[in-house]
Amino acid sequence: GAVVSQHPSWVICKSGTSVKIECRSLDFQATTMFWYRQFPKQSLMLMATSNEGSKATYEQGVEKDKFLINHASLTLSTLTVTSAHPEDSSFYICSAALTVNTEAFFGQGTRLTVV
Amino acid sequence: DAKTTQPPSMDCAEGRAANLPCNHSTISGNEYVYWYRQIHSQGPQYIIHGLKNNETNEMASLIITEDRKSSTLILPHATLRDTAVYYCIVRITGNQFYFGTGTSLTVIP
Repeated sequence: GAVVSQHPSWVICKSGTSVKIECRSLDFQATTMFWYRQFPKQSLMLMATSNEGSKATYEQGVEKDKFLINHASLTLSTLTVTSAHPEDSSFYICSAALTVNTEAFFGQGTRLTVV
Repeated sequence: DAKTTQPPSMDCAEGRAANLPCNHSTISGNEYVYWYRQIHSQGPQYIIHGLKNNETNEMASLIITEDRKSSTLILPHATLRDTAVYYCIVRITGNQFYFGTGTSLTVIP
């Protein structure tokens, strides 16, 4: 399958700081990218959908001013967690799809710990 | 998108076929059935998807009932590396992928 890479794999940051997570599609151009969050022993929760060149669509209950998503190119989307707090500690996962009609491929995830 | 129901957990002996069921009784005609799996602390891995015909690839087979209200993912010869949480997702083309609680499959030596 296609390769989606996330960076970093893990990050520890201080409370109140911002953290940026990158998601790249390495061998295809992704018109659509999805961002998920997963807490321990729970399923993936969709946070937002981003389409290249347009604003992200956020799921209900997800603060768009806190979780900034940029999808500036067909191979790169970024998620910035602003003013992070310990409750933002989670496993963040991105996925990318060639088109809205095809399967999505997932990155390896980023473990964020806010201390 | 239609809701799916999966058993929370299953065991399978190594080398045997693992049959993972999924109910999606409210599925509509233009919704596809997707299967992903997630090994601990990794991102989900795409397995297979289908609309109404049975599908097979190098990883698994997908059997969809004629009324499309349920499906079964078959791993023909389970190995220890197949231990994972398996997610069945029903999705209209163009929509998002929403994950349910999945089935935790344990392959036993």
